[in-house]
Amino acid sequence: DVKVTQSSRYLVKRTGEKVFLECVQDMDHENMFWYRQDPGLGLRLIYFSYDVKMKEKGDIPEGYSVSREKKERFSLILESASTNQTSMYLCASSLRVPGENEKLFFGSGTQLSVL
Amino acid sequence: DAKTTQPPSMDCAEGRAANLPCNHSTISGNEYVYWYRQIHSQGPQYIIHGLKNNETNEMASLIITEDRKSSTLILPHATLRDTAVYYCIVRVGAGNMLTFGGGTRLMVKP
Repeated sequence: DVKVTQSSRYLVKRTGEKVFLECVQDMDHENMFWYRQDPGLGLRLIYFSYDVKMKEKGDIPEGYSVSREKKERFSLILESASTNQTSMYLCASSLRVPGENEKLFFGSGTQLSVL
Repeated sequence: DAKTTQPPSMDCAEGRAANLPCNHSTISGNEYVYWYRQIHSQGPQYIIHGLKNNETNEMASLIITEDRKSSTLILPHATLRDTAVYYCIVRVGAGNMLTFGGGTRLMVKP
């Protein structure tokens, strides 16, 4: 089975800190995604990447950046964490195959609290 | 904007079939319909997908209308462990961006 691993299940940071959320997948998937999930708002796409060193903005990229130096790893960066970035962060990956692009495999999520 | 519309919540009796509807009236000819579910405190899990024909796997069946403007996910014999939020998604635009709508919160009751 595909495994998508997020480095932390729970994370507590202070306002203004630089935060790195790491995600690794083990199935050689081309596409990788970062979502955040908030009560009542569902899953919102922050950034995605369809190849190494490539990135595209999703619906809510403000306050975030990403890095994809290797195919298996996709990092989400909060340059200066703010309290409104307290959320559940979900990483996902998928193959880049027509008709299969949307078959996402998700990690277990990182619950980030910014104090 | 999400391209799908789902009822916010549904109830189903344990052992009965759960039929979850989804409207995707602006779907393009080459866009697949995908279904996921998310059990509390876990990441979403893929269930099934289809293009035109009805599909069935070990988890569920997917019925897509002939005009492809709507679909129904069927859990044939719902159990308490099927209580979850179910998301129906289609591709947004020509790129790789995938947007989830609000989903349907299915409550399976004894």
